[in-house]
Amino acid sequence: DVKVTQSSRYLVKRTGEKVFLECVQDMDHENMFWYRQDPGLGLRLIYFSYDVKMKEKGDIPEGYSVSREKKERFSLILESASTNQTSMYLCASRADISYGYTFGSGTRLTIV
Amino acid sequence: KNEVEQSPQNLTAQEGEFITINCSYSVGISALHWLQQHPGGGIVSLFMLSSGKKKHGRLIATINIQEKHSSLHITASHPRDSAVYICAARAGGGADGLTFGKGTHLIIQP
Repeated sequence: DVKVTQSSRYLVKRTGEKVFLECVQDMDHENMFWYRQDPGLGLRLIYFSYDVKMKEKGDIPEGYSVSREKKERFSLILESASTNQTSMYLCASRADISYGYTFGSGTRLTIV
Repeated sequence: KNEVEQSPQNLTAQEGEFITINCSYSVGISALHWLQQHPGGGIVSLFMLSSGKKKHGRLIATINIQEKHSSLHITASHPRDSAVYICAARAGGGADGLTFGKGTHLIIQP
């Protein structure tokens, strides 16, 4: 079964910390995505990547960066965590534009 | 920017009822996705469609491109269908990622 694995289900970090969220897929997919999900706002795209070392800003990239050094791994980085970044973070991957998305189980991140 | 609207926001029904969830979008799209999210957060992709109708078990998804509207139907609903159902639109013209609706919270009571 194809899989997108996010390293943590729950994470608590302090304001100002640098936070890394990891996502690994085992499907050899070209495209990977990071979303955040907040009540009343739905899912919003933070960053996505078409290929290794490629990245594109989504709708809400401020305060975040990403890294894709290997095809299977897409990392989301909160440079200096703030309380308004408390959210559910979901990673997804996709083979190409004619295929559906596979989502990870999500990381519920709390910044205190 | 594409706007994606879902209705209803919340829906409670009895086991066995026929369920319809609606999704409308504001600009032309290349594909429309229906997703299911159970408590705990994981999201499963149910359908991707760009025209017509798709069926998988008791789930049916339809799309009307001219009217910019899609529906998700569940026949013979069951308590295990209780979840949040999310539609998401992918715009054409080379744009990527998805624009999501806010979701429909469905509860099927036994």
